[in-house]
Amino acid sequence: AQSVAQPEDQVNVAEGNPLTVKCTYSVSGNPYLFWYVQYPNRGLQFLLKYITGDNLVKGSYGFEAEFNKSQTSFHLKKPSALVSDSALYFCAVRDSTGANNLFFGTGTRLTVIP
Amino acid sequence: DTGVSQNPRHKITKRGQNVTFRCDPISEHNRLYWYRQTLGQGPEFLTYFQNEAQLEKSRLLSDRFSAERPKGSFSTLEIQRTEQGDSAMYLCASSLSGTFNYEQYFGPGTRLTVT
Repeated sequence: AQSVAQPEDQVNVAEGNPLTVKCTYSVSGNPYLFWYVQYPNRGLQFLLKYITGDNLVKGSYGFEAEFNKSQTSFHLKKPSALVSDSALYFCAVRDSTGANNLFFGTGTRLTVIP
Repeated sequence: DTGVSQNPRHKITKRGQNVTFRCDPISEHNRLYWYRQTLGQGPEFLTYFQNEAQLEKSRLLSDRFSAERPKGSFSTLEIQRTEQGDSAMYLCASSLSGTFNYEQYFGPGTRLTVT
C-alpha cells in the first residue's frame, strides 16, 4: 500500500528565512516523489519530482527537495521564503511498480509573514 | 493557453440530479486522470485513461460514476443520482507516457455542490 504523511498542517515562516515543509512516504517498490503547490481557486501546480539520481532535486520558483531513502522522507525546502510562497503544498508518491496514479498527503499550509 | 481546462468551473445541483463534467487535457498528452478533493484533504484518485482506454478505477468510483474518453482527447465524468457526499472539487490531470514522464499537470477543477 502507498501512503504519504505531511505531519504539519500549518507552517509559518518569516520572509527571508529558510523554509522546510516535511513529507514522509511508504511504498512497496521504489518511490517516485512529487511536490505540488495549490493557490486559492487554482489547480495544483507541479513544483518538482524525484525519480532517480541525485537525492537533491531542484524545481520551480527556487524550491528544492531532498530524497532520503533511509528516513523515507522527501522534504521541500527553500533558502529564502517570499510572501508570494504562501499557499497549500502537497506531497505525492507513486510506486514504481504499481499503478500510475498519485497518492497525495493531506497538505501543509505555508504562511510567509512579511 | 495550452494547459488542462475543465468545464464548468462550478456546478450546483439538487440531490438526485445527474451532472457531467468535461476535461480537455494538454493536447499531446495521452494519459488522463480524474481525482476528487474534499476540504482539508489531498486529491484522491478516481480513474485513469491511456488514450481512449480506461485502465484503472478506484474503489471510490461507485457505480453512479462513469467516465469516458471516446476519442482519446477530451474526457467526461458523469455522476448519476447525486448525493450530498458527492460535493467536492473534481480535478482532471494529464501526462505523457514514457520513461520519467511521470508528473501530472492539473486543471483548475470543477467544484460540485449538491444541495
